[in-house]
Amino acid sequence: SQELEQSPQSLIVQEGKNLTINCTSSKTLYGLYWYKQKYGEGLIFLMMLQKGGEEKSHEKITAKLDEKKQQSSLHITASQPSHAGIYLCGAPLSGGGSEKLVFGKGTKLTVNP
Amino acid sequence: GAVVSQHPSWVICKSGTSVKIECRSLDFQATTMFWYRQFPKQSLMLMATSNEGSKATYEQGVEKDKFLINHASLTLSTLTVTSAHPEDSSFYICSAIRDSIWGEPQHFGDGTRLSIL
Repeated sequence: SQELEQSPQSLIVQEGKNLTINCTSSKTLYGLYWYKQKYGEGLIFLMMLQKGGEEKSHEKITAKLDEKKQQSSLHITASQPSHAGIYLCGAPLSGGGSEKLVFGKGTKLTVNP
Repeated sequence: GAVVSQHPSWVICKSGTSVKIECRSLDFQATTMFWYRQFPKQSLMLMATSNEGSKATYEQGVEKDKFLINHASLTLSTLTVTSAHPEDSSFYICSAIRDSIWGEPQHFGDGTRLSIL
């Protein structure tokens, strides 16, 4: 079965610092979704990457998909306390074309003012 | 757009009772809805896929008779935890897809925290 490993598991940064979260798949990636979750709440959709080499940005968050490495990275520039939360990556189950997603365990981000 | 509402957000009940959780897509019709379970510091675990007008598809290891899913309309799916026991205590989250096209993201509700005494 496909597994997604996220690193680091947790991250504490000072406000204004840049940071990167990685998501590595045990199998070929047919797309990758990034979500943000606050403790005890639902997931907020951030970005979706559909093909190798694709890079998307929204405000201060940039996500890239490296198909060859079976990996995606999420980069936050000039972090703010509002960026704090748990970031989860999700990928369509093996074979693509599936609506089902498998998720990583998440990366907990703390941004200190 | 793409708002999903989940109700209730928090439930505490006695062992042996049944609990119903609702998942509604407020501003779109959801052809497919998903039900997940999340343990502390763990990933989301897919329990079942719910399609309007048909039986839900359960993932391996999920008891169908324990977790009843009904997708009666294109905007509502319900999860009923029958004869709940303390081990059923968890955070349950639903999601919905607006269109069954590849790449369409899942939109999540805010989750339901279930505590069984």
